[in-house]
Amino acid sequence: KAGVTQTPRYLIKTRGQQVTLSCSPISGHRSVSWYQQTPGQGLQFLFEYFSETQRNKGNFPGRFSGRQFSNSRSEMNVSTLELGDSALYLCASSLGGHLNEKLFFGSGTQLSVL
Amino acid sequence: GENVEQHPSTLSVQEGDSAVIKCTYSDSASNYFPWYKQELGKRPQLIIDIRSNVGEKKDQRIAVTLNKTAKHFSLHITETQPEDSAVYFCAAQDNYGQNFVFGPGTRLSVLP
Repeated sequence: KAGVTQTPRYLIKTRGQQVTLSCSPISGHRSVSWYQQTPGQGLQFLFEYFSETQRNKGNFPGRFSGRQFSNSRSEMNVSTLELGDSALYLCASSLGGHLNEKLFFGSGTQLSVL
Repeated sequence: GENVEQHPSTLSVQEGDSAVIKCTYSDSASNYFPWYKQELGKRPQLIIDIRSNVGEKKDQRIAVTLNKTAKHFSLHITETQPEDSAVYFCAAQDNYGQNFVFGPGTRLSVLP
């Protein structure tokens, strides 16, 4: 069974640009969550999607948005990039957001904003 | 909302010694507590988890304990080995099953 797949693995952008990251969950998983990881800040929750609907959202500005498709694949978009957006963006999938479900992470997309 | 604190932020131990990482959470409704290990340049991977109806769980050299009254849980690694060197994250999931809140991480170094 393939794991959580994220593309691209690395991205270099300049300030003001926008970027789209992609995440394919484990087959059969319907919940996809996104996290921002920066040194010293741990994993900061961005949002979570289930059945194409955003169910939960973290404390990030509106420049960060996402969506989920009918096949559970998810995309995250960041508009008007800032230097502080440089980070590793991880997505994670689980079966359906039920209690005590295990969360499986992708390898992440390393975004550098110059 | 839930807040998870984790200590220490860095930990160095000699190979063969034990390592203990502690986390506290704020929301008494949280009921699922996983631990993730992230090696350099790799994805976080689940190593052990515990549910609120259990006080302790072991898996070979790794164990997790939970004190619901005090709202804290700990990761114990015995007989540490160099391959245990990584960043460890604790997390708490709320009772609605929709959100995980992670601690800031502990960088464990096992010295040969």
